[in-house]
Amino acid sequence: NAGVTQTPKFRVLKTGQSMTLLCAQDMNHEYMYWYRQDPGMGLRLIHYSVGEGTTAKGEVPDGYNVSRLKKQNFLLGLESAAPSQTSVYFCASSTSGGAAETQYFGPGTRLLVL
Amino acid sequence: GQNIDQPTEMTATEGAIVQINCTYQTSGFNGLFWYQQHAGEAPTFLSYNVLDGLEEKGRFSSFLSRSKGYSYLLLKELQMKDSASYLCAVWDSNYQLIWGAGTKLIIKP
Repeated sequence: NAGVTQTPKFRVLKTGQSMTLLCAQDMNHEYMYWYRQDPGMGLRLIHYSVGEGTTAKGEVPDGYNVSRLKKQNFLLGLESAAPSQTSVYFCASSTSGGAAETQYFGPGTRLLVL
Repeated sequence: GQNIDQPTEMTATEGAIVQINCTYQTSGFNGLFWYQQHAGEAPTFLSYNVLDGLEEKGRFSSFLSRSKGYSYLLLKELQMKDSASYLCAVWDSNYQLIWGAGTKLIIKP
């Protein structure tokens, strides 16, 4: 089991460029999440999905779009990158959205927007 | 607003015991998690508390007091590999997971 994988691991973008971050999980989890982690702040939820074909906004969704066409994949898109989107992005998944459910995290994508 | 407070950084000695505190003010409570995150790596699950009291898991224990909005993570017999950040997170009444900024624990020989 690979668990949760993310590609790419690191990327440098210029302001205004676009990119897609890919998250894949092989644990048959229903729920998937995209977070960003910035220095001195807690993880912040960008978007999440409760199942294939569904997505919902989290705490900081502006400037990002997502898609969940297949159960195992969750894509995060930046249409026009801004320096404020420089961050470490983590994908996570869980069996369900229940309170006791552990979220399993991918290794992260480090994004620098110049 | 919703808030989770943890100390930014703590230092402890190898072989000793350290307690990392977490206080929270959230709209409702449906459980509290502790995660460990080594530098440059993903957070990994340590413990989950939903009822008051102490949960012990090997060298790590986690305590919860819902009436005080307070939890702590206790690490015993510290090892160098315990150098990491420890993240506290609370499920609120809307089943949103609210994360603290984390406590960076530095272990000295």
